[in-house]
Amino acid sequence: DTGVSQDPRHKITKRGQNVTFRCDPISEHNRLYWYRQTLGQGPEFLTYFQNEAQLEKSRLLSDRFSAERPKGSFSTLEIQRTEQGDSAMYLCASSLTGVNQPQHFGDGTRLSIL
Amino acid sequence: GNSVTQMEGPVTLSEEAFLTINCTYTATGYPSLFWYVQYPGEGLQLLLKATKADDKGSNKGFEATYRKETTSFHLEKGSVQVSDSAVYFCALYPLDRGSTLGRLYFGRGTQLTVWP
Repeated sequence: DTGVSQDPRHKITKRGQNVTFRCDPISEHNRLYWYRQTLGQGPEFLTYFQNEAQLEKSRLLSDRFSAERPKGSFSTLEIQRTEQGDSAMYLCASSLTGVNQPQHFGDGTRLSIL
Repeated sequence: GNSVTQMEGPVTLSEEAFLTINCTYTATGYPSLFWYVQYPGEGLQLLLKATKADDKGSNKGFEATYRKETTSFHLEKGSVQVSDSAVYFCALYPLDRGSTLGRLYFGRGTQLTVWP
């Protein structure tokens, strides 16, 4: 059973550097979501895709953040000029389209900014 | 707007104790409701869901009933085990046209620790 896969699991970088995370959804899922989770909080929505189209972006997603899903399969989330406040767990989820389809989450990428 | 409020943790119980984790929500329209569980170092796993009023979701001995009149979706288990130690998140999926379809709204999570 292949679930949602995220890479890398951990990323440590210096402030000001750019980072890129990858998410591979469950293969038949056409929806893909990115969330951010900080310590002691629930996940907060960042953006989601229906196939290759990015349908919604949260106000949390500043212009330093960009997400792509070029062929409607895997997705990347890039953060440019990282800041201390970007330290968090970045979660990817995928689902089928349709009302009440559950979202399946990956194990996340933990980003630490030095 | 849409939001979820969970009881503050941490919750510490002895094995075989009864568990309740309170969850209330605010939503425009009639959302679907979910409980997710997160074990240390892992992502979130769907535990159970309910899609309309009076529905009861259940899985692995956990239950939650969608109460529209009290806007609640409390999680219960009759006899917890050490292996249930995790963080539990209540979430809602709004279904009204004015909300962003697709995004989940999560509570802050409740840490549960079960001692043998």
